Amino acid sequence: GQQLNQSPQSMFIQEGEDVSMNCTSSSIFNTWLWYKQDPGEGPVLLIALYKAGELTSNGRLTAQFGITRKDSFLNISASIPSDVGIYFCAGRDQGAQKLVFGQGTRLTINP
Amino acid sequence: SQTIHQWPATLVQPVGSPLSLECTVEGTSNPNLYWYRQAAGRGLQLLFYSVGIGQISSEVPQNLSASRPQDRQFILSSKKLLLSDSGFYLCAWSKDSNQPQHFGDGTRLSIL
Repeated sequence: GQQLNQSPQSMFIQEGEDVSMNCTSSSIFNTWLWYKQDPGEGPVLLIALYKAGELTSNGRLTAQFGITRKDSFLNISASIPSDVGIYFCAGRDQGAQKLVFGQGTRLTINP
Repeated sequence: SQTIHQWPATLVQPVGSPLSLECTVEGTSNPNLYWYRQAAGRGLQLLFYSVGIGQISSEVPQNLSASRPQDRQFILSSKKLLLSDSGFYLCAWSKDSNQPQHFGDGTRLSIL
């Protein structure tokens, strides 16, 4: 079955630093999504990508849909304390009902 | 705008007791609905999804079942809970299979 490898599993950074995380897939996806989950809450959609090569920003967040359609990355610029949480990538094949989720990247920020 | 509600937020149940978690969506019609389970610090495991009233697809064999009695209502049930059923249960909806899924705030289930 489809698998997503998300890395790194955790990050410990200083406030103000930039963050980069990525996901790679064993198969081709037509959609890549990035979510953020705060403790005790459900994941919240950050960015949705639908086209190979697409680069989309949401404030300080930027995500790209890899050209090979097997990978995606998320960058956060100038991190702030509220960026703390777990970030999940998710991918979907054309017409598939299901999303495949990565295992998450836990971001911790030292003030 | 669309909203999704899950309840209860937390639940503590003894082993062998029944379970009913409810999820409702407002502001849309005929959504796709999903139940996920998340183990502590881990990713999301899809349990069930539904593309319409009465239609349920099960992803993994387990002690749980799902039902969709109304268009915007999705229920997760069990007749007899096991210790291994503990976890964080999330409901999600999407307009269709090509649209992003949007999650509720989850139910933290602890089995004693």
